[in-house]
Amino acid sequence: GAVVSQHPSRVICKSGTSVKIECRSLDFQATTMFWYRQFPKQSLMLMATSNEGSKATYEQGVEKDKFLINHASLTLSTLTVTSAHPEDSSFYICSAATPQGSYGYTFGSGTRLTVV
Amino acid sequence: KQEVTQIPAALSVPEGENLVLNCSFTDSAIYNLQWFRQDPGKGLTSLLLIQSSQREQTSGRLNASLDKSSGRSTLYIAASQPGDSATYLCAVRLSSGSARQLTFGSGTQLTVLP
Repeated sequence: GAVVSQHPSRVICKSGTSVKIECRSLDFQATTMFWYRQFPKQSLMLMATSNEGSKATYEQGVEKDKFLINHASLTLSTLTVTSAHPEDSSFYICSAATPQGSYGYTFGSGTRLTVV
Repeated sequence: KQEVTQIPAALSVPEGENLVLNCSFTDSAIYNLQWFRQDPGKGLTSLLLIQSSQREQTSGRLNASLDKSSGRSTLYIAASQPGDSATYLCAVRLSSGSARQLTFGSGTQLTVLP
């Protein structure tokens, strides 16, 4: 149980276009999801906290107009990278707290974004 | 601000060896600590979760310990296998605050040689 599905796993886009990444909780409801970014050989950096039915909370230094987060239902959060540039190329991972919170967090399989 | 450090950054061992990965954190007021495994280009797989009130957790060949007062956790892997090769990340969740996000260490890249 407690599976988070993330799509797409890989995407290549042209500079200036927008890309949407989906994160779904398959067998549980997730009122809160988290979006992370990971650079090569580095750890995960929290970008934002996605709250169902309300605005996302962004970490310092993360442009909310560039990384649009929508959490319209209890099972789906989306991250849209707008007007992507090569420096946005990275590995993006979402996560959600498993039911009853104290059982930890489960993560999606990640999305490798390459902007050319 | 919570900081999480993992030592060593990389480790290479021959198959069959027992090994220990270390994780330290600066703020001992944690809710829990979680160890993850990440294969190249993949997401994270949860290995063990230790609540702040617990001292250790075991799953198969893995044993994780927690010493909250000293801000340390270790992940012990017994009888290592080539399939254990991956990056191991520890992450802590603070007990305070409502955001509930995790703070990650930089990881230990493990290579088990056949």
